[in-house]
Parts: sequence; C-alpha cells; structure tokens
Amino acid sequence: AQSVSQHNHHVILSEAASLELGCNYSYGGTVNLFWYVQYPGQHLQLLLKYFSGDPLVKGIKGFEAEFIKSKFSFNLRKPSVQWSDTAEYFCAVRGNTDKLIFGTGTRLQVFP
Amino acid sequence: ETGVTQSPTHLIKTRGQQVTLRCSSQSGHNTVSWYQQALGQGPQFIFQYYREEENGRGNFPPRFSGLQFPNYSSELNVNALELDDSALYLCASSLEGRGQFYEQYFGPGTRLTVT
Repeated sequence: AQSVSQHNHHVILSEAASLELGCNYSYGGTVNLFWYVQYPGQHLQLLLKYFSGDPLVKGIKGFEAEFIKSKFSFNLRKPSVQWSDTAEYFCAVRGNTDKLIFGTGTRLQVFP
Repeated sequence: ETGVTQSPTHLIKTRGQQVTLRCSSQSGHNTVSWYQQALGQGPQFIFQYYREEENGRGNFPPRFSGLQFPNYSSELNVNALELDDSALYLCASSLEGRGQFYEQYFGPGTRLTVT
C-alpha cells in the first residue's frame, strides 16, 4: 500500500531562515508527487508538483522540491522564509491508483 | 482562485442522522474527488467520480456514498452519522482522461460536526 511520511510535525523558524521539510513515500512504481499548502482559514493550494523530467521542481512563492528516487523522498525547500509562509504543508503522492495519499502535514510557524 | 465551491460551509448534525454535502467543480474539469480531513491529520481519500461513475474508493464504509451529475458537480452523502465523522470534508476537481492525470484543485471544505 502507498503511504507518505512527513517527519517534521511542527517547525518553528525566524524570518530569513532556511526551510527544509521532509517527505518520504512508499511505493515502488512510477509516482506523481505534490506539495500542498493550507494557510490559516484558507483552502488547500498546490505549491508544486513532480510528474516526470527534471527532479528539481520549482513552485510558487520561492519554494522548490527535489525528487530523489533512490531515497523515495520529495523534500520541500525554501532558502529564506517569510512570516507569510506560516501554514500547514502537506506532501502527497499518487501511484497506480486514482487517489492522492497525503501525509499528516507539517505545521510551520515563522516569527518575525 | 480555484473555482471549486462547496456547500454548506458549516453543518451540525446529530448522531444517526444523514447528511448531504455538495461540490461544484472548476470549469472544464470532469473529475471530482472527496476527502475527509480530521483535526490535525492530512486529507484521507474517500472516493472519486469520473463521468458520473465511481472511479476509486478509499477505506470508508458503504454509508459514505456519492453522486456526480452531468454538469460534473457532485454530492457526498453520509448515512447513520457517527461522532468520528466530525471532520472537514474536502472536494477536489481535476481534468482526467486519455491516461493523463492532472493536479487536483481543492474547494474550501465543509466543516461537519456530529454531536
């Protein structure tokens, strides 16, 4: 069965700090990978996605993620966070079924 | 602006009752997926509808059922509500076909509270 693990449940950073959120998945076949963000009081929004090609994917708001197939990982990064990045971040994977499997989420708090 | 809308925004029901949640997909999308997001958890896949037929189901009992209409809008029905059904219910629409999968766009959700 497919599964997604997000090891960081709660991350607290100061503005301008660098961010890396871990995401590992378990599935041996071809995958589509996603990072979604949920700002306070708002709906889930797509940050970035990987379908194929360049394993380094750039998304909105300065976020990027790297797909490392050998490690079954798709970690999210941002060189310098802002207070407005405070949100819940979800990694999701789709394998050979039609459903998205989400991780439990990482709550990011950025202090000015 | 994702274009996916859901109604109602909030709902309070009593254990044993039935509820219907509604979703209008984004223009041009033909597929709707429903998710349950319990407090502090990631969304859990309930089922997906493609061209008015169920096209995949997660680990949810049969009392969770759905419909998709010709205009691709969708309903989620839950019978015999239980306290554990209290959650945010998310609808997501996407365009699928010809072996291609595209990203899902989420609506704001319906917050269901079962007392």
